[in-house]
Amino acid sequence: GAGVSQSPSNKVTEKGKDVELRCDPISGHTALYWYRQSLGQGLEFLIYFQGNSAPDKSGLPSDRFSAERTGGSVSTLTIQRTQQEDSAVYLCASSLEGVSSTDTQYFGPGTRLTVL
Amino acid sequence: AQSVTQLDSHVSVSEGTPVLLRCNYSSSYSPSLFWYVQHPNKGLQLLLKYTSAATLVKGINGFEAEFKKSETSFHLTKPSAHMSDAAEYFCVVSLRMDSSYKLIFGSGTRLLVRP
Repeated sequence: GAGVSQSPSNKVTEKGKDVELRCDPISGHTALYWYRQSLGQGLEFLIYFQGNSAPDKSGLPSDRFSAERTGGSVSTLTIQRTQQEDSAVYLCASSLEGVSSTDTQYFGPGTRLTVL
Repeated sequence: AQSVTQLDSHVSVSEGTPVLLRCNYSSSYSPSLFWYVQHPNKGLQLLLKYTSAATLVKGINGFEAEFKKSETSFHLTKPSAHMSDAAEYFCVVSLRMDSSYKLIFGSGTRLLVRP
């Protein structure tokens, strides 16, 4: 597609439920990133993929968070047993190769997650 | 460690007057710096980026930023504010990871433009 797309745009869930957030990167982009934007923490990095591999998962806030990427394209961020502090906007970005410090990361519109 | 500090959480200007959004960086080597803008309920959009090719970087919508190594600054400016410039602006530095780079965001500056 023309840009990075994310779904759903909004998700309201109850505490304790699992949620899946989807990201569709720009076609041909090998690097994919997940960030979280919350009132208390600002914008923070969660995880990135180079192809289907996620070399560094240390940015994930807890073991309730996991992510996968299949076919070098679509990625899913899963949050298990959601907590109220997980409420945030989850942003996905992609870049062409991601191997240069000057590579531009293109962001999707985000998924706003609200945990009641 | 790489980091950026945005000195103002809010900046208010009148339409037609200059805009200055301040950013200082901390880096042990020559950094890659970016400015992103986020309009209400919209995604992050790249305004400009510094790649060491030139210290004065021109971006979209009339914005520009100057990299000053001696001052460790990368301030964003625009000669004349427009109502449509009202948004949140993020100064960003690129930090190397294993085989890629992640973005470290400043805390953001909300720009208000008065008519």
